[in-house]
Amino acid sequence: GAGVSQSPRYKVAKRGQDVALRCDPISGHVSLFWYQQALGQGPEFLTYFQNEAQLDKSGLPSDRFFAERPEGSVSTLKIQRTQQEDSAVYLCASSLGVTGIVSQPQHFGDGTRLSIL
Amino acid sequence: GENVEQHPSTLSVQEGDSAVIKCTYSDSASNYFPWYKQELGKRPQLIIDIRSNVGEKKDQRIAVTLNKTAKHFSLHITETQPEDSAVYFCAAPRKGGSYIPTFGRGTSLIVHP
Repeated sequence: GAGVSQSPRYKVAKRGQDVALRCDPISGHVSLFWYQQALGQGPEFLTYFQNEAQLDKSGLPSDRFFAERPEGSVSTLKIQRTQQEDSAVYLCASSLGVTGIVSQPQHFGDGTRLSIL
Repeated sequence: GENVEQHPSTLSVQEGDSAVIKCTYSDSASNYFPWYKQELGKRPQLIIDIRSNVGEKKDQRIAVTLNKTAKHFSLHITETQPEDSAVYFCAAPRKGGSYIPTFGRGTSLIVHP
């Protein structure tokens, strides 16, 4: 079946613009994660959904970052009033897992490379 | 991540040699430890994982060992090949119980032909 799909693959925006990044998880996957990956670093957790519920958003760097998953499948990460430090690869991952159940492998998308000029 | 340390940051080996990457974690309640391989510009891909009820797991040329007492786990790649060249990340659950993984900073493995 299809893997995790993210769009766009590349996004260039001017500082101050708003951007929206999309993630299509694997069908049937309950859990969805967003990560930010800076060059040469590991993925840093941003937020986690179980179905449509956003259970953890502790990793969002500021209130300019907002994520939603209204129907429990596709998710959108929105960044308002972008700044240069927002430049990074934004990865989405999904897993079968349910709340509190560990040990569920995550499947990643190819990411969106965001560049803020 | 703050509770996962990964070493070394770079590892250069000759084709056919073995490579070992080590991660330490801080939460003794952690029970799931995956390893991901990420090639340049591509997605992280799960290559092997281990749960805390076993000490070792093997899959062909790769293996993972877990020492719960010392709170560290290691990735072992034998008979390395040039296509093994990539960045490898370990992960362990964040403190607090629910599975939000914290990733190590990565190891850039270079296999010279």
